Amino acid sequence: DVKVTQSSRYLVKRTGEKVFLECVQDMDHENMFWYRQDPGLGLRLIYFSYDVKMKEKGDIPEGYSVSREKKERFSLILESASTNQTSMYLCASSLPTVTEAFFGQGTRLTVV
Amino acid sequence: AQKVTQAQTEISVVEKEDVTLDCVYETRDTTYYLFWYKQPPSGELVFLIRRNSFDEQNEISGRYSWNFQKSTSSFNFTITASQVVDSAVYFCALLIQGGSEKLVFGKGTKLTVNP
Repeated sequence: DVKVTQSSRYLVKRTGEKVFLECVQDMDHENMFWYRQDPGLGLRLIYFSYDVKMKEKGDIPEGYSVSREKKERFSLILESASTNQTSMYLCASSLPTVTEAFFGQGTRLTVV
Repeated sequence: AQKVTQAQTEISVVEKEDVTLDCVYETRDTTYYLFWYKQPPSGELVFLIRRNSFDEQNEISGRYSWNFQKSTSSFNFTITASQVVDSAVYFCALLIQGGSEKLVFGKGTKLTVNP
């Protein structure tokens, strides 16, 4: 089974903190994605990566950065967390061909 | 630009009722793919189906069926004889081949099936 694992299910951080959300996949997928899910807004793409050390901005990259040093790991970084970044964060991976993406279980981040 | 619209925000039905979730998409590309995902309360999105733009055949998988109509840019999802376990948020998504290969999601439809 394809497995996409996010390091935390729930996270509470303070405003201004630097926050790292980690995602690991075990299927050797080239593509990895970070989405944010908010009520009434659906899933919005923050960043994605086609390969190691490669990254591209999605629809809402402001306030975020990413790191992909190894193929299996894709990290989302909140440089200085703010309350408007309280949300559910979903990581996904896929092959480079047009196939379905596989999602992690999500990290519910609360910034206080 | 690509866009997916799921006009139904929430639907509530009683068990054994049939229910259809609507999905309308917008794209100027001729080659694209449409997906449906299910997100149960546990949070993880589960892939249900993929359909490419050249295949308009309807598909049935058990109690699930999908109706793809290019003429109306719709890809609707029907659950027959709904069950409580079908309660979830359902997302429709669009992917353009040859583009950035990123999924564009609709806002989701929350389905509640009551016993």
